[in-house]
Amino acid sequence: GQQVMQIPQYQHVQEGEDFTTYCNSSTTLSNIQWYKQRPGGHPVFLIQLVKSGEVKKQKRLTFQFGEAKKNSSLHITATQTTDVGTYFCAGPKTGANNLFFGTGTRLTVIP
Amino acid sequence: DTGVSQNPRHKITKRGQNVTFRCDPISEHNRLYWYRQTLGQGPEFLTYFQNEAQLEKSRLLSDRFSAERPKGSFSTLEIQRTEQGDSAMYLCASSPGTGMAGELFFGEGSRLTVL
Repeated sequence: GQQVMQIPQYQHVQEGEDFTTYCNSSTTLSNIQWYKQRPGGHPVFLIQLVKSGEVKKQKRLTFQFGEAKKNSSLHITATQTTDVGTYFCAGPKTGANNLFFGTGTRLTVIP
Repeated sequence: DTGVSQNPRHKITKRGQNVTFRCDPISEHNRLYWYRQTLGQGPEFLTYFQNEAQLEKSRLLSDRFSAERPKGSFSTLEIQRTEQGDSAMYLCASSPGTGMAGELFFGEGSRLTVL
């Protein structure tokens, strides 16, 4: 079955440092989505990437979709305490509509 | 509030009992998804509906689990003969459109504890 892995599982950074999480799927994805889940909260949509090699930016966040549409990354520049949470990638394999979520990367920002 | 609503928010039950969760999606959304999430894990896909049709069901879902969306609006997820391993947060999400899977809007979840 489809598997979506993320690394690292945990990341502790000092406030102001950069952070990157990587997402790898065992199958080709039609699109990749990223979600953020704060402690005790529910996943909240951040962005969707559709095209091979696509790069999108949201303020300090940069999202990239791999050329083969099997991997993706999220990079946060100059982390802030408000960035704390778990970041999940999710995507449907080509031709499907059920989203499989990655294992997540839990980010802790030390003030 | 026009977001996704889930009830009850918390349910404590004894092993062997049946439980039912309800999800009211955003009104104009065609797709409705159920996920299960345990502590420290990502949401695990259970099933999804396009209007009233259940289009996919995870193979991980045993026959003790059943979901319905009778009129293409709200949905229920029933777990029969609950087991301790069913303890988890059950998340419902809805999504507009009928094409490529798009943004999911999640509810607050229903937390199940099986004693």
